[in-house]
Amino acid sequence: QAVVTQEPSFSVSPGGTVTLTCGLSSGSVSTTHYPNWIQQTPGQAPRTLMYNTNTRSSGVPDRFSGSILGSKAALAITGAQADDESDYYCVLYMGSGVWVFGGGTKLTVL
Amino acid sequence: EVQLVETGGGLIQPGGSLRLSCAASGFTVRNNYMNWVRQAPGKGLEWVSIIYDGGNTHYADSVKGRFTVSRDSSTNTLFLQMNSLIADDTAVYYCARWSMGQRAFDIWGQGTIVTVSS
Repeated sequence: QAVVTQEPSFSVSPGGTVTLTCGLSSGSVSTTHYPNWIQQTPGQAPRTLMYNTNTRSSGVPDRFSGSILGSKAALAITGAQADDESDYYCVLYMGSGVWVFGGGTKLTVL
Repeated sequence: EVQLVETGGGLIQPGGSLRLSCAASGFTVRNNYMNWVRQAPGKGLEWVSIIYDGGNTHYADSVKGRFTVSRDSSTNTLFLQMNSLIADDTAVYYCARWSMGQRAFDIWGQGTIVTVSS
């Protein structure tokens, strides 16, 4: 099965902007992969932050935005806050009834 | 309230079997695409399997031939039958709904812990 790639870790200053990316080991990510971004804090269940590339889930502030940047899906966070510190996973639909998660990005806000 | 509640996890010896359940409320399991996703200790999320509204099923290569996903309409419950368990199957198992209209994993359960160890 395909490998979905993410930055293992990222650091951002409070109030700063960061863009996390989600790529494929072979090929480009497109909207037909229906990228979802999942947020998870330690010990908690996953929560879908962004779906279908660029639609925010209910209650997610507009500081979060999703897009396709070049060959990758991207999650941008502007005005980073302390409680944005989490693990972020992207998941892509690969066709033939198969979904694949990326390895996740651990975001630190400091 | 729309929610998913997983049960059935526990400690099981290698080679053993276990059946996980995911009880849904607020919507009908058989009309939706229902998934299992797992997370090994200290690791990332891994998609495991799906059952479509029509009943077709698909699996990750890592569990194909050992795990079977099914559902029961009378109890509105999703199941994951896990056979020939190995240590690498140790994980928190989550059920999640894929919304066909929104193209989203829109509902997640709280998870149930499976530990495979002798």
